[in-house]
Amino acid sequence: DTAVSQTPKYLVTQMGNDKSIKCEQNLGHDTMYWYKQDSKKFLKIMFSYNNKELIINETVPNRFSPKSPDKAHLNLHINSLELGDSAVYFCASSHRDTGANVLTFGAGSRLTVL
Amino acid sequence: AQSVTQPDIHITVSEGASLELRCNYSYGATPYLFWYVQSPGQGLQLLLKYFSGDTLVQGIKGFEAEFKRSQSSFNLRKPSVHWSDAAEYFCAVGLYNFNKFYFGSGTKLNVKP
Repeated sequence: DTAVSQTPKYLVTQMGNDKSIKCEQNLGHDTMYWYKQDSKKFLKIMFSYNNKELIINETVPNRFSPKSPDKAHLNLHINSLELGDSAVYFCASSHRDTGANVLTFGAGSRLTVL
Repeated sequence: AQSVTQPDIHITVSEGASLELRCNYSYGATPYLFWYVQSPGQGLQLLLKYFSGDTLVQGIKGFEAEFKRSQSSFNLRKPSVHWSDAAEYFCAVGLYNFNKFYFGSGTKLNVKP
């Protein structure tokens, strides 16, 4: 039983294409995230949704569009892919409580743009 | 602004030796602190967390970490490293109720046989 699952695990595509990554969590969490990990392993938050509502939108090009059809799913669509989009994209989830949350991560989706 | 610093990019230790990975944070209030481990090709797994209370916290796989407010540090330790501990380790700060987490740049641990 995978807690946070992402598909696809690997994605190789040409510049200018459009691609999507899907994420699903079965933990009953109410908050989901997309993180980008670059080649130097630096992790940066991109988006966060709480109960389908966008609550964090960091400085991300508008070619990136998240979509949360329900609180168990958060997808990421990327238009007009560029070389600099090559990275590992991690989905994560947490339960927003009265204190801090604990992130549970998916295994990552490695995107390579040629 | 909040930040997390892991001063050591790479660390190599011999199997069976002790380990300490450093983490310093910058945050105006008491932070919520985490250590995650990432094995090659895998996602991040939570090792341990500090929210409040006892400043020495125990985690999985024999790891522990100590919160030192005066030094703004949350260093990760293990008394005896195993070859399977070779991985990338990330320190993170969580902000109360804002659902934001800031990660350090990671420390890559190599273990010599």
